[in-house]
Amino acid sequence: EAGVVQSPRYKIIEKKQPVAFWCNPISGHNTLYWYLQNLGQGPELLIRYENEEAVDDSQLPKDRFSAERLKGVDSTLKIQPAELGDSAVYLCASSRSIDSPNTGELFFGEGSRLTVL
Amino acid sequence: AQKVTQAQTEISVVEKEDVTLDCVYETRDTTYYLFWYKQPPSGELVFLIRRNSFDEQNEISGRYSWNFQKSTSSFNFTITASQVVDSAVYFCALRSNTDKLIFGTGTRLQVFP
Repeated sequence: EAGVVQSPRYKIIEKKQPVAFWCNPISGHNTLYWYLQNLGQGPELLIRYENEEAVDDSQLPKDRFSAERLKGVDSTLKIQPAELGDSAVYLCASSRSIDSPNTGELFFGEGSRLTVL
Repeated sequence: AQKVTQAQTEISVVEKEDVTLDCVYETRDTTYYLFWYKQPPSGELVFLIRRNSFDEQNEISGRYSWNFQKSTSSFNFTITASQVVDSAVYFCALRSNTDKLIFGTGTRLQVFP
């Protein structure tokens, strides 16, 4: 079974530039998450999707961040324009339906490390 | 408010030593789940264990064991006879009625040969 795939692994941009990250979850996983991980910190949820619906985006800075999961499979997270403070690792994770007995067992990708200069 | 505290920022041990990673949590909910994840240098977090709030039975899996104590709101993780491959950042996490997984700040474990 293929794991969660993210791209790019690394991205270096100048401030005010746009950037996009892509995530392909594990096949059959209805729930998809985007997390932000700052250096030395634990992951923090940005947005959670159940199929194509964003069910929790309360922590997503909507002035510059956007996300989509149009067909309920892969997802894109975009930042426009990027700021210096956005430098971090962006993790994607997926899981089976939130109501399943295995609720909370997330499968993570390797992350996309963003550096904003 | 829900919170997970991992007071140990970094632990260094020599191979074959036992090591315990501490986790203290806060929640007002009566039903909740506790987790441990491992983050190796490659970056992806790997699920290790889930415990629900009604099951205080300790669990052992090979060299790993977990001690869940509701009285002290703790969910500690012990690695017996540590190995170099255990070197990673370990995160404790809490999930309750909000369905949001709250992570601690992690403990970096370095096992030296």
